[in-house]
Amino acid sequence: QQQVKQSPQSLIVQKGGISIINCAYENTAFDYFPWYQQFPGKGPALLIAIRPDVSEKKEGRFTISFNKSAKQFSLHIMDSQPGDSATYFCAANLNTGTASKLTFGTGTRLQVTL
Amino acid sequence: GAVVSQHPSWVICKSGTSVKIECRSLDFQATTMFWYRQFPKQSLMLMATSNEGSKATYEQGVEKDKFLINHASLTLSTLTVTSAHPEDSSFYICSARWYGRSYEQYFGPGTRLTVT
Repeated sequence: QQQVKQSPQSLIVQKGGISIINCAYENTAFDYFPWYQQFPGKGPALLIAIRPDVSEKKEGRFTISFNKSAKQFSLHIMDSQPGDSATYFCAANLNTGTASKLTFGTGTRLQVTL
Repeated sequence: GAVVSQHPSWVICKSGTSVKIECRSLDFQATTMFWYRQFPKQSLMLMATSNEGSKATYEQGVEKDKFLINHASLTLSTLTVTSAHPEDSSFYICSARWYGRSYEQYFGPGTRLTVT
């Protein structure tokens, strides 16, 4: 019940296209859903995040869509660029009162081709 | 803002020795710091959570006597891998939660540990 399932495992998109990465969860107690971008050999960088009382959040070319009833959320990267080529992780936060921690999805390797 | 540093960025040590990795929040105070481990092409696995001045809370299956965590101040946490073995070789990443921003975690650049 603590898992976050992420798909696809890898994704190839042409420059200018839309990249879509999906995540699903079971635990309705998750209260915060961030997306991270990670380049090889680097730490993850927070991209964008959403709380479950919001259905969509947009920051620049990045949009999170959140479907609470379906327990799914997705990241859309508009006008994808070669510089977006990286691994993307969704995550979900669980706050138990005494602890608050993230569970990560398995990651999606995005390659944006010219 | 929200910069987290780690030192060293990479380290090679011999089997049986101990290695200390530092994690610092440079421009904010971190109520909580986290230590993760990441194997190649895999996701991040939480090892432990530490609060300033308190003992760390370890995830199931993580040996607390092997991975010693000290959170001495609101800007510094250290992870010491004791009696390292080749199977401890991995990418170790810390993150920090900004005091007052209860949800956001900011990650350091990671430390590549190779045990020979």
